[in-house]
Amino acid sequence: DVKVTQSSRYLVKRTGEKVFLECVQDMDHENMFWYRQDPGLGLRLIYFSYDVKMKEKGDIPEGYSVSREKKERFSLILESASTNQTSMYLCASSFVDRSNNSPLHFGNGTRLTVT
Amino acid sequence: GIQVEQSPPDLILQEGANSTLRCNFSDSVNNLQWFHQNPWGQLINLFYIPSGTKQNGRLSATTVATERYSLLYISSSQTTDSGVYFCAVRGGATNKLIFGTGTLLAVQP
Repeated sequence: DVKVTQSSRYLVKRTGEKVFLECVQDMDHENMFWYRQDPGLGLRLIYFSYDVKMKEKGDIPEGYSVSREKKERFSLILESASTNQTSMYLCASSFVDRSNNSPLHFGNGTRLTVT
Repeated sequence: GIQVEQSPPDLILQEGANSTLRCNFSDSVNNLQWFHQNPWGQLINLFYIPSGTKQNGRLSATTVATERYSLLYISSSQTTDSGVYFCAVRGGATNKLIFGTGTLLAVQP
């Protein structure tokens, strides 16, 4: 069974703090993704990575950066947290295949509150 | 990019009732998944179904790729089925999975 683990279930941070959200997967997946989920807006892609040290912007990358130093780990970084980054953050992973039809597997989510 | 629309936006059922959730998408896709997000926020992979029909217990799904829609059927609903059901698609050369805004299901005892 695929396991995607997010290090924190709940986080409370102050405005201006640097925040790290960690995600680890144990299935040797090439692709990893960070989404945020907000009421009425569904899930929106922040960044994704298709290989170690490779990253691509998603639909809402502003205010975020990512790091993929090892294949199993994908970190989301909020350089200077702001209240509008209060959200549920979801990490996912999948294999790479030529036809782009490998299913995504999600972690349990991190609910971040920025005060 | 691909647009994904889900209907209905919310649904209230009595335990034991059946329901059909719909997902329409605006372009051809090579990946379609249905997810259930439980009240604790966990996203559970229900079906990976870019085309055809699959069944898993009381749940089944059908995707008609040529007509750009997918249906999720829930039979004999239970209170544990409550939560948000998301459809998500991926098309073309992109790795991005695009989500619909979900259907909020509440099953009452």
